[in-house]
Amino acid sequence: TQLLEQSPQFLSIQEGENLTVYCNSSSVFSSLQWYRQEPGEGPVLLVTVVTGGEVKKLKRLTFQFGDARKDSSLHITAAQPGDTGLYLCAGAADSNYQLIWGAGTKLIIKP
Amino acid sequence: EAQVTQNPRYLITVTGKKLTVTCSQNMNHEYMSWYRQDPGLGLRQIYYSMNVEVTDKGDVPEGYKVSRKEKRNFPLILESPSPNQTSLYFCASSLDLGGGIYNEQFFGPGTRLTVL
Repeated sequence: TQLLEQSPQFLSIQEGENLTVYCNSSSVFSSLQWYRQEPGEGPVLLVTVVTGGEVKKLKRLTFQFGDARKDSSLHITAAQPGDTGLYLCAGAADSNYQLIWGAGTKLIIKP
Repeated sequence: EAQVTQNPRYLITVTGKKLTVTCSQNMNHEYMSWYRQDPGLGLRQIYYSMNVEVTDKGDVPEGYKVSRKEKRNFPLILESPSPNQTSLYFCASSLDLGGGIYNEQFFGPGTRLTVL
């Protein structure tokens, strides 16, 4: 069974601080996605990474796909209250048609 | 506007009373899926459909049924709901589910179901 472990599960920091969220697996994924979910809404895609070692930037958010395509990280620089939400990673394997989801990281940025 | 719609958004029902949650997408997507979201457990897939008339079980299919008679619609049916099916449910669609950039999941707004 493929698993994606996210850490930390919960993070509460002050505005302006930096943070990193991790998504780890023992399985290889053909691509990995990061979503953000706000209260009362469905998750919304932030980024898809497909190449080992790939780094993508979305304003203050930096996403990295591990060289072996087994893990990924999300780094937020100078976090703002608008970054508050649940961050989910999801991996796609070529062998089936299901996405494997992490349990999520609940992020709270205090003003 | 490209979107996935779900109805109802909120539902309180009693044990054993059959219910249907509707899901519709207007993006001509091949792939549709139902998830439930519970605190600490993340998103767990209930059923998915790769195309019309093609459905398959996800990780937690017990107690649920689905149908895909039209490309745009993918209703979730609870024949005899039980309290352990109290949860937040999401419908999602994507262009396909090959690895890569075409499998972005577009989610509906969610249906909060309470079974008493």
